[in-house]
Amino acid sequence: GAGVSQSPSNKVTEKGKDVELRCDPISGHTALYWYRQSLGQGLEFLIYFQGNSAPDKSGLPSDRFSAERTGGSVSTLTIQRTQQEDSAVYLCATQRYVSPAYNEQFFGPGTRLTVL
Amino acid sequence: DQQVKQNSPSLSVQEGRISILNCDYTNSMFDYFLWYKKYPAEGPTFLISISSIKDKNEDGRFTVFLNKSAKHLSLHIVPSQPGDSAVYFCAASKQGGSEKLVFGKGTKLTVNP
Repeated sequence: GAGVSQSPSNKVTEKGKDVELRCDPISGHTALYWYRQSLGQGLEFLIYFQGNSAPDKSGLPSDRFSAERTGGSVSTLTIQRTQQEDSAVYLCATQRYVSPAYNEQFFGPGTRLTVL
Repeated sequence: DQQVKQNSPSLSVQEGRISILNCDYTNSMFDYFLWYKKYPAEGPTFLISISSIKDKNEDGRFTVFLNKSAKHLSLHIVPSQPGDSAVYFCAASKQGGSEKLVFGKGTKLTVNP
């Protein structure tokens, strides 16, 4: 399909294990964002990639979280030594900056992470 | 410090009536505002946006109003339909929307047949 895809759709892991979440963006979208939504909360910004610029990591909650975007395309969000409070839906969004009047972000379906 | 606030966690409306969802923001640097709609087990989908140079934007049954002096925006849906039942997120951005979105916590809208 032409939309943003994420895998896996669901991930259950044990506390202390590492997990990798993948995002495949829409072709041609230069900006890629990771957000997460914890139960009862809004969407929380995690990290932002734009072209070849240094990523904006200001939203990462701890150094256990990291993300890469290879070749300006696929992105992987890695959470090391997972904790129960990491349980959330992790959403990827991509954007093709057009002009100040039109900057819709397109979201993937999310990965639901459950840390037992 | 919540920069975007949606103070009503839920709203219930009769089919055919108007739904009004409200959103307040605190950061005066925000200049682009968006509404997203989210169904369960799906990612949010873009609904409508407005730039701070405008005070109203309309798209079919959906209208967004922006009151910059009050730092308030609202989404009007008229007439409401049962398929509109979803969680609606208000979001704000700087630099004309080219920066990260700051989201509210969402309002769950239920449209009753």
